[in-house]
Amino acid sequence: NAGVMQNPRHLVRRRGQEARLRCSPMKGHSHVYWYRQLPEEGLKFMVYLQKENIIDESGMPKERFSAEFPKEGPSILRIQQVVRGDSAAYFCASSRTGHPQYFGPGTRLTVL
Amino acid sequence: QQQVKQSPQSLIVQKGGISIINCAYENTAFDYFPWYQQFPGKGPALLIAIRPDVSEKKEGRFTISFNKSAKQFSLHIMDSQPGDSATYFCAAEGGANNLFFGTGTRLTVIP
Repeated sequence: NAGVMQNPRHLVRRRGQEARLRCSPMKGHSHVYWYRQLPEEGLKFMVYLQKENIIDESGMPKERFSAEFPKEGPSILRIQQVVRGDSAAYFCASSRTGHPQYFGPGTRLTVL
Repeated sequence: QQQVKQSPQSLIVQKGGISIINCAYENTAFDYFPWYQQFPGKGPALLIAIRPDVSEKKEGRFTISFNKSAKQFSLHIMDSQPGDSATYFCAAEGGANNLFFGTGTRLTVIP
């Protein structure tokens, strides 16, 4: 039973480019969460999705960030026009009913 | 505003000793409190979790103690081993399904 999968594991972008991060939840899980972790800090909630619906996006920056979880395929976190401050580790978690949440290995985004 | 406060920031323990990490929260709506273990370059892994209707939960060498009236909970690692060296995060959730994490404790167990 594969765990939560994220790709790419490492992503390098120049300022102004777009970053697309993908997350495939565990089998049977329909709840997906995205968190951001800055160096030496804890994880900060960004967005909670169920299939085709955004349930809670209270942690998402108002501009440049968007997320989706289509009926088919992985969840996508999209960051447009990246800036250096977007450099962080982005983790996806999934759950069957809300908790527990199981985390993927993360995508480490570096903005040059 | 930090919803969950965690201490200490770092901890060094001798092999075989007890590691204790403390967390405190303010929001009484929180009703689920997990602990996660994270190794460098990896995602957080669920270690153990508790609900506020019990005061203690034990799984192997790991124990959560929960004090509802004080709004505090702690992780105890008995017989700490070098392989336990990692960063530990407490978290809390209260119906909204998103976890609020503490700032982490970097544990080093020296042989």
